[in-house]
Amino acid sequence: SQTIHQWPATLVQPVGSPLSLECTVEGTSNPNLYWYRQAAGRGLQLLFYSVGIGQISSEVPQNLSASRPQDRQFILSSKKLLLSDSGFYLCAWSNRFNEQFFGPGTRLTVL
Amino acid sequence: QKEVEQDPGPLSVPEGAIVSLNCTYSNSAFQYFMWYRQYSRKGPELLMYTYSSGNKEDGRFTAQVDKSSKYISLFIRDSQPSDSATYLCAMSAMNSGYSTLTFGKGTMLLVSP
Repeated sequence: SQTIHQWPATLVQPVGSPLSLECTVEGTSNPNLYWYRQAAGRGLQLLFYSVGIGQISSEVPQNLSASRPQDRQFILSSKKLLLSDSGFYLCAWSNRFNEQFFGPGTRLTVL
Repeated sequence: QKEVEQDPGPLSVPEGAIVSLNCTYSNSAFQYFMWYRQYSRKGPELLMYTYSSGNKEDGRFTAQVDKSSKYISLFIRDSQPSDSATYLCAMSAMNSGYSTLTFGKGTMLLVSP
């Protein structure tokens, strides 16, 4: 069966510090991968998606970036965090039926 | 007009009640419809997936899609306190073999014992 992992589970970072969140998927190959942010009262916002290694599409221009160095690895990064980057970050993968399955999430607080 | 509208709630019901959760949408290109359940501080969990008008049943859950009215529903029978969560609707229009989902903001459901 397929499993999706995210780490860390929680993170507290100062403004201006860098960020690296990692997501890995097990039990499937060549999945579509997604990064979402969920802020209170604002729903799920798609940040990036990837259909293959090195292929990244950005939905929202901001100070975040994403990379896919391996087939089942998706990384969300920032060089300098802003207060507005606080939120619940979710990674997801989708199968050929476009069913999306989410990871446990990373709760990021920027102080 | 937002693409997907969903009442945020909270919706409070007693245990055993039938719950109706709804979403409306404006984009007629949406063909695939999903319902997710999200417990507090957890990732969303896929509950139901439908791609046509009509009803789909899975245990205590029934998903209903009315494309002519651009309206989808999730019914929960014999609701339990463990059903207390936020329910998100999501929908997509296929494009070149992949598609992104558009989500509603979610309805918080509270089932009291």
